Amino acid sequence: QKEVEQNSGPLSVPEGAIASLNCTYSDRGSQSFFWYRQYSGKSPELIMFIYSNGDKEDGRFTAQLNKASQYVSLLIRDSQPSDSATYLCAVNAGGTSYGKLTFGQGTILTVHP
Amino acid sequence: SQTIHQWPATLVQPVGSPLSLECTVEGTSNPNLYWYRQAAGRGLQLLFYSIGIDQISSEVPQNLSASRPQDRQFILSSKKLLLSDSGFYLCAGTGGMTNSPLHFGNGTRLTVT
Repeated sequence: QKEVEQNSGPLSVPEGAIASLNCTYSDRGSQSFFWYRQYSGKSPELIMFIYSNGDKEDGRFTAQLNKASQYVSLLIRDSQPSDSATYLCAVNAGGTSYGKLTFGQGTILTVHP
Repeated sequence: SQTIHQWPATLVQPVGSPLSLECTVEGTSNPNLYWYRQAAGRGLQLLFYSIGIDQISSEVPQNLSASRPQDRQFILSSKKLLLSDSGFYLCAGTGGMTNSPLHFGNGTRLTVT
C-alpha cells in the first residue's frame, strides 16, 4: 500500500510568519511530488511541483525534497490570511503509474491577523 | 493550458437512482483522465483513470463505473446510488507525459438521500 502521510493540523501561524508543511511517503520509487491548495468547498489547485532533491522556489512558496528521507515539505513565507486552506501533498510513482497521484489527508493551515 | 469542465456543481439524488457525471477537457490532446472522490473531511481517493478512448482502469471495487467515449470526455456513472456514494467528485487530467501535474475541474458535490 503506497501511502502519503501529513499532519492533519490545524497549523496556526500569525500573519507574516513562515508556515511549514510536511509530508512523508512510503514508496521509495516515487518520482514526482506536488503540493495542492484546497479552499473549503473548492477543488484542489496546484501550487508547486518538485522532481529533484533540494529546494524549488516560486514567489512566497518553497518546496523541499529529500528522497533519501522520503520527505517533502512546503514553506510559505510572509503568510497571509488568504493562505488559510487545506494543503494536500501528492506523490506520483512515475513509470507505468500513468500519472496517478496518491494524496495525503491534507494539513489545515490557519493564518490569523 | 488544460481546462477541465465538470457539471453539475451540486446534485442531490435519492438512494437507488442512477447517476451520470460528465467531464470534458480543453487545451490538451490525448490526456490521461481521472475520477477522484473526496468524502467529507477526508483525502482524495482515486476511483478510475483512463489513458485513452475506451481504456478505463478501476482502482477500487465499488458501485460506480466510468467510460471514455471520446478523447476529451470522461463519464462517471452508477445504475443505483447508495448513501455511501455521497461525496465531492473531482475530474482531473494531465497532458499524458510522465510526471505531469494533475489539474482538477471544479468538482460535483453529490448528496445521496
